[in-house]
Amino acid sequence: AQKITQTQPGMFVQEKEAVTLDCTYDTSDPSYGLFWYKQPSSGEMIFLIYQGSYDQQNATEGRYSLNFQKARKSANLVISASQLGDSAMYFCAMREGVDFNKFYFGSGTKLNVKP
Amino acid sequence: GAGVSQTPSNKVTEKGKYVELRCDPISGHTALYWYRQSLGQGPEFLIYFQGTGAADDSGLPNDRFFAVRPEGSVSTLKIQRTERGDSAVYLCASSLSGGTGELFFGEGSRLTVL
Repeated sequence: AQKITQTQPGMFVQEKEAVTLDCTYDTSDPSYGLFWYKQPSSGEMIFLIYQGSYDQQNATEGRYSLNFQKARKSANLVISASQLGDSAMYFCAMREGVDFNKFYFGSGTKLNVKP
Repeated sequence: GAGVSQTPSNKVTEKGKYVELRCDPISGHTALYWYRQSLGQGPEFLIYFQGTGAADDSGLPNDRFFAVRPEGSVSTLKIQRTERGDSAVYLCASSLSGGTGELFFGEGSRLTVL
């Protein structure tokens, strides 16, 4: 089974609108961490936001928030007030395990922000 | 520099040749990862080092691939008898062992096997 599933290969959003990128995960480990990364066309992977499995509140970082629904095993990324510079690939990732060394990525979502 | 450094940024080689890709992690980061990313795909795990030892090499596709980290800092990914299917971007990442453990990535080495 896929550890991380991103079902939206591509998304379009109008500048200044909010957009939600979907991510579901699969683990039987009670201790895990969920991450979102942005990869612009330049290729560098940029860390955006983190959610721990025991965190009670949804993580937020500026315009990024993570909609964490533990029972559904989903960790959707919400980007508010989209900007043209948000156009990029977005990857959901999970770290699990006692020693936290297993780090899995989804297949990504290509976000295009329209002016 | 303060970030993860990877060299070369681009490598073009012929089928059957030997290739080495180098990664210099962020100073003080004990964990080091190698990933492979094909066009339009997410990063695929290859190998993970904690210090000098390969803690998990389950992602290496076959015995043509090997990686070392002899002094617990710089790592080299070695690919023998390259094949066209090895063409991809090879990403290196490092992290601290504690905290959230997010990975800090280099800009990657793009390998093209002709």
